Amino acid sequence: QKEVEQNSGPLSVPEGAIASLNCTYSDRGSQSFFWYRQYSGKSPELIMSIYSNGDKEDGRFTAQLNKASQYVSLLIRDSQPSDSATYLCAAHNDMRFGAGTRLTVKP
Amino acid sequence: DTAVSQTPKYLVTQMGNDKSIKCEQNLGHDTMYWYKQDSKKFLKIMFSYNNKELIINETVPNRFSPKSPDKAHLNLHINSLELGDSAVYFCASSPMGARGYTFGSGTRLTVV
Repeated sequence: QKEVEQNSGPLSVPEGAIASLNCTYSDRGSQSFFWYRQYSGKSPELIMSIYSNGDKEDGRFTAQLNKASQYVSLLIRDSQPSDSATYLCAAHNDMRFGAGTRLTVKP
Repeated sequence: DTAVSQTPKYLVTQMGNDKSIKCEQNLGHDTMYWYKQDSKKFLKIMFSYNNKELIINETVPNRFSPKSPDKAHLNLHINSLELGDSAVYFCASSPMGARGYTFGSGTRLTVV
């Protein structure tokens, strides 16, 4: 059974801190990984994609991929209350999502 | 000019009824999907179509039947609705090359 697993949270960080979200996957054949943000009552929104080992930065967001250890992470620097949402990790080889981590950023 | 549009947004119906949810995308994407999100927010793939052809059919009761009349449309028909079918159903699309999904706004189905 191919799985994508995330630390279940919820995760609470103070405003301005770094939020760290983690995800592991079981299918070694997975090539593409994505992070989605889902606000309550809304649909998931793609925020980051990563395809090769290492870090990928986009503004305050950094995605990290380690294929040897089969994990993907998302760092959010200078967290803002508007970052409060559920973050979903996905491995697109088999279209599976993790269960999501709910992040709360406290002012 | 919504990229992926689903109708209806809300659907309340009685057990045993048959209902349909429609999805249309204007992004020119090749692949469309149906996902079910339960009360714990877990997103589970149900079906995937690529250029009108079914490529993924997860373990879903055969009461659920997808139909793709063309590349831009993917509808979901559900027969004999059950209480456990209550969830939010999301349509999504993606271009070729695993570039991530664009989701529709979801259909909240409540079976009473």
